Amino acid sequence: GENVEQHPSTLSVQEGDSAVIKCTYSDSASNYFPWYKQELGKRPQLIIDIRSNVGEKKDQRIAVTLNKTAKHFSLHITETQPEDSAVYFCAATPLVGQNFVFGPGTRLSVLP
Amino acid sequence: DADVTQTPRNRITKTGKRIMLECSQTKGHDRMYWYRQDPGLGLRLIYYSFDVKDINKGEISDGYSVSRQAQAKFSLSLESAIPNQTALYFCATGSYNEQFFGPGTRLTVL
Repeated sequence: GENVEQHPSTLSVQEGDSAVIKCTYSDSASNYFPWYKQELGKRPQLIIDIRSNVGEKKDQRIAVTLNKTAKHFSLHITETQPEDSAVYFCAATPLVGQNFVFGPGTRLSVLP
Repeated sequence: DADVTQTPRNRITKTGKRIMLECSQTKGHDRMYWYRQDPGLGLRLIYYSFDVKDINKGEISDGYSVSRQAQAKFSLSLESAIPNQTALYFCATGSYNEQFFGPGTRLTVL
């Protein structure tokens, strides 16, 4: 089955700097890769996703890149703000609408 | 976001007790899921259901059972709770490309 690894497990950046979180997956059949953000004490919520026919997707300060050959995808946050502090989970699935396999999460802290 | 609700929100129980966690959704989705969250382990799938007559085991189903009472309701049971089932439990409901999570139930087994 699918296995998703995520690095780093914790990340601290200064406000205004960029943050990058990387995930690798094992199943070459996976073709949908969502990212979820979980603020302290809150539920995970989808922030961005990418499908295997796309190499990069942007939404304001957030972008996701995908390298299918290497089986890895990354979340990029530019101009970080305190409200970006949260745990971020990547996930992979072989088919949109099917079960996700989540990575272990990255705790991002944006320092003032 | 009251579209997905979970009860109770917090529960402390003792080893050997039977516990039921309940989930309801008003989003009209057929798909429902139960996850367990532990620090450093992410969200692990316990059980999932694609419709009322469909129940499937996830990655870590041992020690758990579920019931899909209706399209909108999906319950998770721990028949005989043990301390290593102490965790944060999330119910979720799924659309085509997104899962909507409930607020979570923090369960402590002493």
